[in-house]
Amino acid sequence: EADIYQTPRYLVIGTGKKITLECSQTMGHDKMYWYQQDPGMELHLIHYSYGVNSTEKGDLSSESTVSRIRTEHFPLTLESARPSHTSQYLCASSEGLAENTGELFFGEGSRLTVL
Amino acid sequence: DQQVKQNSPSLSVQEGRISILNCDYTNSMFDYFLWYKKYPAEGPTFLISISSIKDKNEDGRFTVFLNKSAKHLSLHIVPSQPGDSAVYFCAASLSSYKLIFGSGTRLLVRP
Repeated sequence: EADIYQTPRYLVIGTGKKITLECSQTMGHDKMYWYQQDPGMELHLIHYSYGVNSTEKGDLSSESTVSRIRTEHFPLTLESARPSHTSQYLCASSEGLAENTGELFFGEGSRLTVL
Repeated sequence: DQQVKQNSPSLSVQEGRISILNCDYTNSMFDYFLWYKKYPAEGPTFLISISSIKDKNEDGRFTVFLNKSAKHLSLHIVPSQPGDSAVYFCAASLSSYKLIFGSGTRLLVRP
């Protein structure tokens, strides 16, 4: 069973507010990811990290930012939320071996609604 | 440009029958293909994978077939059970560090 946790699970917030979505994993994985998914659509990679102090932007442009100060923690921040940020955000992690199949372990997701 | 496509948004099958979920891809550099299953209000969970050097991988009721010449893979579930009802995502791995997902197929297994 994967040990990766996201909080909050659900968040409804007004436009202009700053929000942070938390993601923690206890598996010691080097690689962590944030995906964004709208209903009926594919998961889009918005950020990833190969380890502490390493962060990269994904394929989908996002106004969010991430940090990786500790191996187990990969928070995502929106400085000023807008209705266009309404979506589900999924955090994932994987082992850091080059030989791995790319299998990701996902958290349960954070569903964000910006009014 | 969508590199991984699942053209069927939904599929309904009778319990006990075979479910076949399809996926097409465009990038011949993908080295692994994976299927994930997602229940409502939960994150996706890994189901089965296949290396690009193989054409079949089987795990219990689940079998994935890869046709590289057609850039097509499929997931077979036999026999289908009501608990299999979920959204299934096809994903492709590029250099083992990034997954590119399809848009998912919602499977409904009718009792």
